[in-house]
Amino acid sequence: AQKVTQAQTEISVVEKEDVTLDCVYETRDTTYYLFWYKQPPSGELVFLIRRNSFDEQNEISGRYSWNFQKSTSSFNFTITASQVVDSAVYFCALIGGESGYSTLTFGKGTMLLVSP
Amino acid sequence: DGGITQSPKYLFRKEGQNVTLSCEQNLNHDAMYWYRQDPGQGLRLIYYSQIVNDFQKGDIAEGYSVSREKKESFPLTVTSAQKNPTAFYLCASSPRGSGGRNEQFFGPGTRLTVL
Repeated sequence: AQKVTQAQTEISVVEKEDVTLDCVYETRDTTYYLFWYKQPPSGELVFLIRRNSFDEQNEISGRYSWNFQKSTSSFNFTITASQVVDSAVYFCALIGGESGYSTLTFGKGTMLLVSP
Repeated sequence: DGGITQSPKYLFRKEGQNVTLSCEQNLNHDAMYWYRQDPGQGLRLIYYSQIVNDFQKGDIAEGYSVSREKKESFPLTVTSAQKNPTAFYLCASSPRGSGGRNEQFFGPGTRLTVL
């Protein structure tokens, strides 16, 4: 069984602060993929990143960075110099295995509130 | 523009009525999915379809039904058997047979309220 845990239900920061969203996962598959999605108030999920289990390199994209550590089964997401537009619910998700079709297991999400 | 459309954005229904939520995609994706989102919860998979005329139950299929007669369309019917249908419903699609190699693309969602 797969499981994704996002222990932080809600985080509030002031603009320009750095913030890290935690994600811990469980899977028995040796091959798996991890994702982060952003859900702004409009409701649509926006894809942010995909990482496969064989690639532990950290990734940076502008103000966003991701830290993948297999040893601790974590895939944390950091926003540097947060902005009001970053306010959203962020979901971490997991797909296990290489079978033909993919079912995403989502965490419960972390609501990020960035105030001016 | 390629993407996924869901209609309507807001839907109200009376208890005991069936209602159908629309999902259309022009991304030429084979696989399509329906998720339910409740406040403070992650997304839970209702049904998915890997190819036309085939679909599988997800984690919470009871009280729901789907059809996949066309590649671009995957409508979801919320039946009167669904005990607590008020929720936000999201449709998604992805290339078939991709495992996790490709992300799922999501529509804007339909918010269903049962009165």
